[in-house]
Amino acid sequence: QLQLQESGPGLVKPSETLSLTCTVSGGSISSSSYYWGWIRQPPGKGLEWIGSIYYSGSTYYNPSLKSRLTISVDTSKNQFSLKLNSVTAADTALYYCASCVTTVTTFYVDSWGQGTLVTVSS
Amino acid sequence: SSELTQDPAVSVALGQTVRITCQGDSLRSYYASWYQQKPGQAPVLVVYGKNNRPSGIPDRFSGSSSGNTASLTITGAQAEDEADYYCNSRDSTGNRVVFGGGTKLTVL
Repeated sequence: QLQLQESGPGLVKPSETLSLTCTVSGGSISSSSYYWGWIRQPPGKGLEWIGSIYYSGSTYYNPSLKSRLTISVDTSKNQFSLKLNSVTAADTALYYCASCVTTVTTFYVDSWGQGTLVTVSS
Repeated sequence: SSELTQDPAVSVALGQTVRITCQGDSLRSYYASWYQQKPGQAPVLVVYGKNNRPSGIPDRFSGSSSGNTASLTITGAQAEDEADYYCNSRDSTGNRVVFGGGTKLTVL
């Protein structure tokens, strides 16, 4: 069973960049079975898919965040990362990293990190 | 707004059967997956694909689909099933992932 752990600052100032890293254990990030994704959940609200990356570097972004978003992968460290620019209070959320499986007919999140709360405030 | 629509809240009597639904055009082409989220915890996958359960998920959880509607059925709901449930799929283009707004299940 894969284990994922988010890390990064819990407080980011408005207009600055939110940066998070997810460390994967129990398996290789270079596995062809998975995409690696970020999902967020504002306090008291529902889940929002941010984007996904394959070990080769292919990325899929939520169009509503695409202009501010970069997801990257570091296979040597078994990690993948999220950078979200120009943040506002609306980006305050619990951020989850996840292992995702996609086929021709389905997409699902196989494993989730515990989540890390990022607050955007001055 | 979400491209997958769920009822905000559903209730069920202990031991009875409840169906939680998810509607969206993309569900005509893609199966939904379903997640259970309890307060203060990360979501947990309970059903995916045509009707598959990950290891450790009780067989009282099942999934089905018809037209633009996917359903999660809990047969014989238990007190520990009280949680928020989210559906998830690709969008109609296949290039984006979407979540439903979530359904809060109360077990009476």
